[in-house]
Amino acid sequence: DILMTQSPSSLSASVGDRVTITCRASQDIANSLAWYQQKPGRAPKILLYAASTLESGVPSRFSGSGSGTDFTLTISSLQPEDFATYYCQQYYSPPPLTFGGGTKVDIK
Amino acid sequence: QLQLQESGPGLVKPSETLSLTCSVSGDSISISRYYWGWVRQSPGKGLEWIGSIFYSGSTYYNPSLKSRVIVSVDKSKNQVSLKLNSVTAADTAVYYCARLLGFVDYWGQGILVAVSS
Repeated sequence: DILMTQSPSSLSASVGDRVTITCRASQDIANSLAWYQQKPGRAPKILLYAASTLESGVPSRFSGSGSGTDFTLTISSLQPEDFATYYCQQYYSPPPLTFGGGTKVDIK
Repeated sequence: QLQLQESGPGLVKPSETLSLTCSVSGDSISISRYYWGWVRQSPGKGLEWIGSIFYSGSTYYNPSLKSRVIVSVDKSKNQVSLKLNSVTAADTAVYYCARLLGFVDYWGQGILVAVSS
């Protein structure tokens, strides 16, 4: 199985901050990586796929980069509605599809 | 607009079979280019992919659950089903129905299933 490791597991930030979350795959997954946002009590929501393609309707302050084993999700200017937990997921080599452990972003 | 709605019992006894149904509206499972499947999330934990199915019947399962899982489709009802047998407390989770192109682009709202006697 491909192991996805996210860091940090949690972070505290202020509105307007630039936030960066990293995701590392245990083997090369090309650009087969997605990012999700999940708020408490809600289903996850797709933000980006193919490492850097923004899903329709997602604000442009979200961006993704990377290929191979190292990936980054960046929020350029954190907004109040962005406080949530973020997950990466690889889909290069199913089964299984695998998710990272999550990064909780909360208010400093 | 695509909607996925999970249904089924919210409580299952240990050693019994968990059975859930996902009703799909706004897309046809029979002609869709997508996979359909299930993802679960144990309380306070991360996400775990369970399995996926294509309309043709091709299935992929998480190896960690493969011996206990069946995912199937009912084209006439436009539904996807999940059966997980021999459940234990470790199977207590929110179960999400999902549409997949590798990644999940649509999620159901989720259904909490507790395993308890």
